[in-house]
Amino acid sequence: DQQVKQNSPSLSVQEGRISILNCDYTNSMFDYFLWYKKYPAEGPTFLISISSIKDKNEDGRFTVFLNKSAKHLSLHIVPSQPGDSAVYFCAATERVGGYQKVTFGIGTKLQVIP
Amino acid sequence: SQTIHQWPATLVQPVGSPLSLECTVEGTSNPNLYWYRQAAGRGLQLLFYSVGIGQISSEVPQNLSASRPQDRQFILSSKKLLLSDSGFYLCAWRKGIGQGFSGANVLTFGAGSRLTVL
Repeated sequence: DQQVKQNSPSLSVQEGRISILNCDYTNSMFDYFLWYKKYPAEGPTFLISISSIKDKNEDGRFTVFLNKSAKHLSLHIVPSQPGDSAVYFCAATERVGGYQKVTFGIGTKLQVIP
Repeated sequence: SQTIHQWPATLVQPVGSPLSLECTVEGTSNPNLYWYRQAAGRGLQLLFYSVGIGQISSEVPQNLSASRPQDRQFILSSKKLLLSDSGFYLCAWRKGIGQGFSGANVLTFGAGSRLTVL
């Protein structure tokens, strides 16, 4: 049972345009949502997060939107740059006792075309 | 500042051989530690997590085991590797209880270990 779903395995966008990556979840107990970026043969790096009590968080070219009623979040990258080409993972956290369990989606591969 | 080290970076092992991947974290204490695996064409699968020395929880039944002999050391092992164990293994940490514990705390990953079982 996949609690964090990224239904688009890949996305291609022209440089300068907006990239929109989507993520759906099923667990109402998730309290934070995070986006990670991963290049091949490297560990994922944190990009941006949002609390479950917020609906938007912005950091430079990156904005994350959360729609709790729809259990949906999205990452917007504006403008997209070739260096943004990577796999993007959506993740969600929930507190389980003394531990923060982090669940990842399967990732979306973004290609920004120059 | 905190750093995470993971080794070896790449490993090619025959089926049936043992495995030991090591991860250490510096600059913090009592971290939550995690082992993830990214198999070819798949996402990040949580294998094990630990909230303290000797405390290991497994997320999925498998051919692997984990140990935490020291506060900032996390080891992934296998007695006999299978072909299906091939993948990219990632160690990660985040702040635990008493260290500003919060859902907002970022999970920081090591550089990963590429395991190929032949």
